[in-house]
Amino acid sequence: SAVISQKPSRDICQRGTSLTIQCQVDSQVTMMFWYRQQPGQSLTLIATANQGSEATYESGFVIDKFPISRPNLTFSTLTVSNMSPEDSSIYLCSVWSSGANVLTFGAGSRLTVL
Amino acid sequence: DAKTTQPPSMDCAEGRAANLPCNHSTISGNEYVYWYRQIHSQGPQYIIHGLKNNETNEMASLIITEDRKSSTLILPHATLRDTAVYYCIVTDSWGKLQFGAGTQVVVTP
Repeated sequence: SAVISQKPSRDICQRGTSLTIQCQVDSQVTMMFWYRQQPGQSLTLIATANQGSEATYESGFVIDKFPISRPNLTFSTLTVSNMSPEDSSIYLCSVWSSGANVLTFGAGSRLTVL
Repeated sequence: DAKTTQPPSMDCAEGRAANLPCNHSTISGNEYVYWYRQIHSQGPQYIIHGLKNNETNEMASLIITEDRKSSTLILPHATLRDTAVYYCIVTDSWGKLQFGAGTQVVVTP
């Protein structure tokens, strides 16, 4: 399965600032996704990162708050904009392996907003 | 995607088999059953998936009832490192998985 690297692994940020999370995959993948896991909660899908076009967002998530880039088949970024303490979460990048029909996750980026 | 129901928690003795149930009574014909687990502070890890036949791999076995309305994940010889939250997910949307609350499994010595 694909190997996913996320950076940063964790960060502490100030209210009102923005942070960009990077996701690098060791192979070309068609489908990439971003999930959020709030403290003590399960995972929620934020959006599908589409290569060469705008991301597709799930209900409750908007591009202005979570802009996503997908410049090629191995890389994506998620920005958390104008952060508030409610944005404190683990943000996870994931990729779909069509051959194995498996979704593989990165280790996540733990974000704390003060 | 069909909704799943799992017990919130389970305890299991080290070395014994852990049987994790999942109900998915509204599953449709083209939906697969996936199992993932999440060890504290790590990303979810894929375990196994199936459509209607029972499946086995190096980590676990998946038993799906004939009517497909429920399934059981079996960890044959639980170890302390199997302590995690286990998620049962039913989906036909590749990659867009809907995670529920899962089952917190605690393996005790």
